Amino acid sequence: LAKTTQPISMDSYEGQEVNITCSHNNIATNDYITWYQQFPSQGPRFIIQGYKTKVTNEVASLFIPADRKSSTLSLPRVSLSDTAVYYCLVGNKLSFGAGTTVTVRA
Amino acid sequence: DAGVIQSPRHEVTEMGQEVTLRCKPISGHNSLFWYRQTMMRGLELLIYFNNNVPIDDSGMPEDRFSAKMPNASFSTLKIQPSEPRDSAVYFCASTDPGQSSYNEQFFGPGTRLTVL
Repeated sequence: LAKTTQPISMDSYEGQEVNITCSHNNIATNDYITWYQQFPSQGPRFIIQGYKTKVTNEVASLFIPADRKSSTLSLPRVSLSDTAVYYCLVGNKLSFGAGTTVTVRA
Repeated sequence: DAGVIQSPRHEVTEMGQEVTLRCKPISGHNSLFWYRQTMMRGLELLIYFNNNVPIDDSGMPEDRFSAKMPNASFSTLKIQPSEPRDSAVYFCASTDPGQSSYNEQFFGPGTRLTVL
């Protein structure tokens, strides 16, 4: 089971880009990398998933280097409503961990 | 679709009482997950079912916890007897790997349990 490590918290301001890096050194060949977002008093919500290189959707981008031992979630031009906990998950068994608390300030 | 439905949304009970949490997954989803979230331990997977069969219950904390899925549209998580340390938010999630992105789970709103 691949273990993930991500920062406990990050602070940002409206309009800035936020990049959250997750380390997963023992990722298996078949493992996908998945990111979830959780707002207060709500369940987690799927944001994006990738296997290698770069994936982009309307919410975020996910950058995965060739060795796949880390990944970076990029949130462009954040707003106050992006304040949430962001979880990096690897593989099939969903171990959420503590996630990264992102606080966006005005 | 209404999404994953959980009931009750809030439950306050006294130590020693039986608590039953309920979940209705999204129609057509064949996998269902129960999670518990606390400030101290974060979001923990308790158990998950595939096609109504429990696959992995290694996250169930102890024998006081039990989960059932009698059919594809309903699951329960029962705590008997409940203890104050069981106070947490319990989430149910469902997924159908055949229809959505790999690992994309859909979470319900959660049940906030307080055991006095």
